[in-house]
Amino acid sequence: QVQLQESGPGLVKPSETLSLTCTVSGGSISSSYWSWIRQPAGKGLEWIGRMYTGGSTNYSPSLKSRVAMSVDTSKNHFSLKLSSVTAADTAVYYCARGPAAEGFDYWGQGTLVTVSS
Amino acid sequence: QSVLTQPPSVSGAPGQRVTISCTGSSSNIGAGYDVHWYQHLPGTAPQLLIYGNNNRPSGVPDRFSGSKSGTSASLAITGLQAEDEADYYCQSYDSSLSGVIFGGGTKLTVL
Repeated sequence: QVQLQESGPGLVKPSETLSLTCTVSGGSISSSYWSWIRQPAGKGLEWIGRMYTGGSTNYSPSLKSRVAMSVDTSKNHFSLKLSSVTAADTAVYYCARGPAAEGFDYWGQGTLVTVSS
Repeated sequence: QSVLTQPPSVSGAPGQRVTISCTGSSSNIGAGYDVHWYQHLPGTAPQLLIYGNNNRPSGVPDRFSGSKSGTSASLAITGLQAEDEADYYCQSYDSSLSGVIFGGGTKLTVL
């Protein structure tokens, strides 16, 4: 059973860079798409971006200028960096496997990131 | 405002049938991209409920079904149970945005 676990600081200061890591267990990170998705309090799900373990990436147009995703196959984890954060970036951040023909089939439990000074 | 439109809320009594609509456009659902549905309970990870418009992952009860027609899709839940009370999201791909899109979510209340 594939399991995903997000990790990283729960508090980030405005204008700084949010950094999160998603560790994959129970399966290989190779040959799959992996995504980051977030949910601000009281709002819906927002896709941030995806990456293939071969290195290609696609980001949401609304966040593209501030997002970078990377993968470390030796550690079976992938990462998210979101720069120049503001309070609007406060949200629960999820990592997930996909998108694929089967949708997002495995998700992490989510981690709350608060942007505040 | 989400590219995929869902009703903010639906409700039904135990045992009843409810449907949740997901309306898109010619650049997403209407272009032939698959629709997937997720069930989300507060404080937990979203769970894949329906993939590829009308397929259930292993372990999802057959009370849940999906359909797609034109620029819209629907999730139907029959034999409503108290445990079905959750938020439901549709998801697809949009060619104009070149990315994944979600509906705004629908809160299902079991009366």
